[in-house]
Amino acid sequence: QIVLTQSPALMSASPGEKVTMTCSASSSVSYMYWYQQKPRSSPKPWIYLTSNLASGVPARFSGSGSGTSYSLTISSMEAEDAATYYCQQWSSNPFTFGSGTKLEIK
Amino acid sequence: DVQLQESGPGLVKPSQSLSLTCTVTGYSITSDYAWNWIRQFPGNKLEWMGYISYSGSTSYNPSLKSRISITRDTSKNQFFLQLNSVTTEDTATYYCASGSRPMDYWGQGTSVTVSS
Repeated sequence: QIVLTQSPALMSASPGEKVTMTCSASSSVSYMYWYQQKPRSSPKPWIYLTSNLASGVPARFSGSGSGTSYSLTISSMEAEDAATYYCQQWSSNPFTFGSGTKLEIK
Repeated sequence: DVQLQESGPGLVKPSQSLSLTCTVTGYSITSDYAWNWIRQFPGNKLEWMGYISYSGSTSYNPSLKSRISITRDTSKNQFFLQLNSVTTEDTATYYCASGSRPMDYWGQGTSVTVSS
């Protein structure tokens, strides 16, 4: 199965700071999908087909990558962005998730 | 608006079967999409379990293939998860999810504990 490794596992950022988190796949995938999850809530679709923002996602978010290396970037951190972000691949069954990057606000 | 709602027992005994229902409103499960089950373990690891497509075909996580079955009742616009021979390792929050991208819509999740 394709293993997705997210880094860092935990990070903190100050308001206004640029944030980048990565998702590395053990084999090449066609696209990457990202979800945001806050405590006691379901995951929310955040980025699909590597770089497309889901409905309602602020434009300060972006996604990029190809092959085995993908990233999610926040251009300017806001308090509401504090959450855990998971990547997922739909290229190969089983459709695996990364272990998540927990983003905290400083 | 598409909405999904999980339901089922919150406690299951080891070696028994876990059965959950996902009730869908706002969209017919026979129109389009794959209708997925995902679970989240204590510690927050997410695992895709399988799906039933709008046409009725199924796809399962190979790690669960001998124990899992996903079926549907189109008259009630529901789909179901059955997981056999559960152990304490199956304790998790179970979600149903679907959509075109491909999981735009999620239920709120239902917590299942496997314990005697």
